[in-house]
Amino acid sequence: DAMVIQNPRYQVTQFGKPVTLSCSQTLNHNVMYWYQQKSSQAPKLLFHYYDKDFNNEADTPDNFQSRRPNTSFCFLDIRSPGLGDAAMYLCATSRDLTHNEQFFGPGTRLTVL
Amino acid sequence: AQSVTQPDIHITVSEGASLELRCNYSYGATPYLFWYVQSPGQGLQLLLKYFSGDTLVQGIKGFEAEFKRSQSSFNLRKPSVHWSDAAEYFCAVGENTGFQKLVFGTGTRLLVSP
Repeated sequence: DAMVIQNPRYQVTQFGKPVTLSCSQTLNHNVMYWYQQKSSQAPKLLFHYYDKDFNNEADTPDNFQSRRPNTSFCFLDIRSPGLGDAAMYLCATSRDLTHNEQFFGPGTRLTVL
Repeated sequence: AQSVTQPDIHITVSEGASLELRCNYSYGATPYLFWYVQSPGQGLQLLLKYFSGDTLVQGIKGFEAEFKRSQSSFNLRKPSVHWSDAAEYFCAVGENTGFQKLVFGTGTRLLVSP
């Protein structure tokens, strides 16, 4: 089945220690998104890639960066995680930028000690 | 900018009873509207979507939603709830021009009692 895969499902890191979360997709979609979802809150868009074009949300902290080396993979890098960065990180894809539903992965729950 | 309001943080429904989850949006034009469901520790699964046409939309798992432009609402309904429906439900609105950024409501947690 075509799907969105996130690894790892659970990640524990230390305060200030860089961490990378991974997302891959077999849907061959052009757009990949990263969302941050804190406990009991709505998902919040951090950035998205349309093909190789990167688009950052205005309020995404500089501490968060992303890479998309090819169509299938996208990474979320948190350079210096703080306690406030503990959250579920959701990856999603869509075929295009408009008029398309987004398909979500299962998420990676990040704990910062 | 568009926004979404889900006025009910928690709802408890008896198994077999009907369900309605409320969603109101704010957007200048006709929006794209979505309902997603999230089970604990999982990602979001699309239940249904509205882009245009028939205002009553059928989705998966027996859910439906009705778009009411006059009320700026897109309420989710199910005639008979099953225990497996217990989850968090998110309504989302997307712009219909340019980049379709999704804005989510804060969610409604559904509890199903025996």
